Amino acid sequence: AQSVTQPDIHITVSEGASLELRCNYSYGATPYLFWYVQSPGQGLQLLLKYFSGDTLVQGIKGFEAEFKRSQSSFNLRKPSVHWSDAAEYFCAVGARENTGRRALTFGSGTRLQVQP
Amino acid sequence: EPEVTQTPSHQVTQMGQEVILRCVPISNHLYFYWYRQILGQKVEFLVSFYNNEISEKSEIFDDQFSVERPDGSNFTLKIRSTKLEDSAMYFCASSDTRWASNQPQHFGDGTRLSIL
Repeated sequence: AQSVTQPDIHITVSEGASLELRCNYSYGATPYLFWYVQSPGQGLQLLLKYFSGDTLVQGIKGFEAEFKRSQSSFNLRKPSVHWSDAAEYFCAVGARENTGRRALTFGSGTRLQVQP
Repeated sequence: EPEVTQTPSHQVTQMGQEVILRCVPISNHLYFYWYRQILGQKVEFLVSFYNNEISEKSEIFDDQFSVERPDGSNFTLKIRSTKLEDSAMYFCASSDTRWASNQPQHFGDGTRLSIL
């Protein structure tokens, strides 16, 4: 069964500082990988996804993530954080064709606080 | 950009009552999903629906739950006899038919269900 671990429950960074949110997954093969962001009271917005090809993927709002097969990781990064980035971030995995459940499996989330 | 819309945004219901949560998926999508997020916890998969039948469901989706596509646009989740532990944010999602794109990338803003 697929699973996702986000080791950091809560992270605080200063505005303008760089950010890295960790995500590790467990899956029998290379899954599809996603990062979503959830602002308070809002739904889930897709930041970026990895399907295949280049292991460094670019997303919206200046975010990027790198898939590392050897580490089963898909960490999210941003070089300079803005106050509006404060939110909850979820890593998720989805099965590839006929290898498992189509629906997404989410991590527990990392709450990001941004200090002025 | 097309959106998944959910109504109501907040539903308050007495324990034991039936509740129906409504979703309008993106119009050309054919896979539909319900997820829930208990306060402070991860987003969990409930059920997926395709071609007018359930294609997958989780262990959470017991006999108290049902889904329906009553017409060409709506997708509903019914909880027959609500319990206190059903209090959560319920998210609807939709995707198109291709597996690689069939991950539910498009989420609604959710319905917050409060059981009293």
